[in-house]
Amino acid sequence: QQPVQSPQAVILREGEDAVINCSSSKALYSVHWYRQKHGEAPVFLMILLKGGEQKGHEKISASFNEKKQQSSLYLTASQLSYSGTYFCASGVQGAQKLVFGQGTRLTINP
Amino acid sequence: EPEVTQTPSHQVTQMGQEVILRCVPISNHLYFYWYRQILGQKVEFLVSFYNNEISEKSEIFDDQFSVERPDGSNFTLKIRSTKLEDSAMYFCASSGYSLAGGPGEQFFGPGTRLTVL
Repeated sequence: QQPVQSPQAVILREGEDAVINCSSSKALYSVHWYRQKHGEAPVFLMILLKGGEQKGHEKISASFNEKKQQSSLYLTASQLSYSGTYFCASGVQGAQKLVFGQGTRLTINP
Repeated sequence: EPEVTQTPSHQVTQMGQEVILRCVPISNHLYFYWYRQILGQKVEFLVSFYNNEISEKSEIFDDQFSVERPDGSNFTLKIRSTKLEDSAMYFCASSGYSLAGGPGEQFFGPGTRLTVL
């Protein structure tokens, strides 16, 4: 079951904050966040395993609400380098595959 | 920093031809994957490989596709009799471990853009 991301696209000015949401109709075993720039490979950002878990990476952090079957990615004081498409991917228990959401395109303008 | 590498970066082929896409996973990783991404769309799982055999495959991965680890470093995806709809970016990924019952951190290679004419 593909996770659903919202919004589909965000346009910000440098320094503004953004939140990207990822939800699933099925229980999420784990949530993986990736950023992909145009023409490049997805780059791993972080993985969340447990309900209630929060992680941070510089000014990018994420939370995982297991009961609500959703995760959110927070980008604080956005920089131009944050531009790209953000994907969440759900890990499936008992399997190795990742099921990717449709992506959220983030554009940061100066 | 170790990384996944892929060759070629771009492959153009005629419909019906066979192509082999090559990947060198991170050296101490145990799990290998192929994903594909049609232009502008999401990343789709094709197959996972562990301990020299396919551990899981998607419905996309039909008899047209096969994977192989011919030696200790390479991991290949073969597409027989390519179709127009096979045109996509193909990503190889690897991970070093499996979390209890699920996938660990997967690191992606730069991709091979396959164009079928």
